[in-house]
Amino acid sequence: EPEVTQTPSHQVTQMGQEVILRCVPISNHLYFYWYRQILGQKVEFLVSFYNNEISEKSEIFDDQFSVERPDGSNFTLKIRSTKLEDSAMYFCGGRGINEKLFFGSGTQLSVL
Amino acid sequence: DAKTTQPPSMDCAEGRAANLPCNHSTISGNEYVYWYRQIHSQGPQYIIHGLKNNETNEMASLIITEDRKSSTLILPHATLRDTAVYYCIVRVASTGGSYIPTFGRGTSLIVHP
Repeated sequence: EPEVTQTPSHQVTQMGQEVILRCVPISNHLYFYWYRQILGQKVEFLVSFYNNEISEKSEIFDDQFSVERPDGSNFTLKIRSTKLEDSAMYFCGGRGINEKLFFGSGTQLSVL
Repeated sequence: DAKTTQPPSMDCAEGRAANLPCNHSTISGNEYVYWYRQIHSQGPQYIIHGLKNNETNEMASLIITEDRKSSTLILPHATLRDTAVYYCIVRVASTGGSYIPTFGRGTSLIVHP
């Protein structure tokens, strides 16, 4: 069964550094998502992406965040200048024309 | 989206049926009931969804009451690997970009030997 692949599985960075989290969605998916989960808290929506542009974003997704799908396969989340509170598990998701959203295994981001 | 209420935790013996309830008394006519689960530290996993008819797939069954104010997710023969947090989400179905599942606290199901 096809899977959503996220790399790296664990990223450690210093506060203020830029990080890029990578995702390879399932090939026939059209809509793409980033969510995050701070330890012990709910899974929170960050952004959705369709047809090479952002469809919706939450209040968390401020100017420090950006997404792109540069080559039609990889879907990336960039955090320009990381803060301690950005430490979380980040999940990439995707779906086709139905509502079945498939998620990857996540990238654990630790900001020191 | 309609508000949902789930018990914070439940447990079940391996091999028995796990019945996870969800109340959604303010559900409107065009809102579907979706279930996802999250096994520890993994991404959420879609299980099943329905509007008013009962639904069954290879993972689970979804029973929706006639008034649609509550539903039950049934795992017919729970295994240890079904230990997870189960989320009941109610929202309007949309195949467009506005479909954004919102995850609450869910029910933590522990399946014990």
